Amino acid sequence: GNSVTQMEGPVTLSEEAFLTINCTYTATGYPSLFWYVQYPGEGLQLLLKATKADDKGSNKGFEATYRKETTSFHLEKGSVQVSDSAVYFCALFQTGANNLFFGTGTRLTVIP
Amino acid sequence: DAGVTQSPTHLIKTRGQQVTLRCSPKSGHDTVSWYQQALGQGPQFIFQYYEEEERQRGNFPDRFSGHQFPNYSSELNVNALLLGDSALYLCASSLMEEDQPQHFGDGTRLSIL
Repeated sequence: GNSVTQMEGPVTLSEEAFLTINCTYTATGYPSLFWYVQYPGEGLQLLLKATKADDKGSNKGFEATYRKETTSFHLEKGSVQVSDSAVYFCALFQTGANNLFFGTGTRLTVIP
Repeated sequence: DAGVTQSPTHLIKTRGQQVTLRCSPKSGHDTVSWYQQALGQGPQFIFQYYEEEERQRGNFPDRFSGHQFPNYSSELNVNALLLGDSALYLCASSLMEEDQPQHFGDGTRLSIL
């Protein structure tokens, strides 16, 4: 079946620190992979995506590379800001299933 | 360009009652999916509607039902509410094409007393 495993949170970092949030997946075939971000009291916003192996998604300084050999899609940012504080969800979209499978989310808090 | 809009934003019900949540998709989108997000968890897929029909369904009981209207808007109905139905209900819209990212609304927070 399809599943997504994210690193446990919460994660607390100082401003300008380097961020990595690990994500691994299990799927049949070749899913598309996504990172969504959820700010307090809001819905999910698409942060970045990758649709095939070795693709790199990037947005707002965040990056993630689709690694088929390790079934991973780790989220990275070189220098976090207080405004990056949110919950981050890794998700996969399986062709044919037509819906997203989400990880449990990782809460990031950035302190000044 | 309006994004996905959901109503109401908050709702309080008691056990055994019925509830209807509403969603208007992003302009140009034809597919609506509903997710349940329990506190501290990732969203779980409930079902998806396209061309006014339920196309996919997740592991949710028949108490959860839905509808899509000709203008692509959608409703989620939950009957015989249980305490465990307390959650944030998210609507997402997309185009019925592969690998199209889903756009989410801000959700309806449902609390069951």
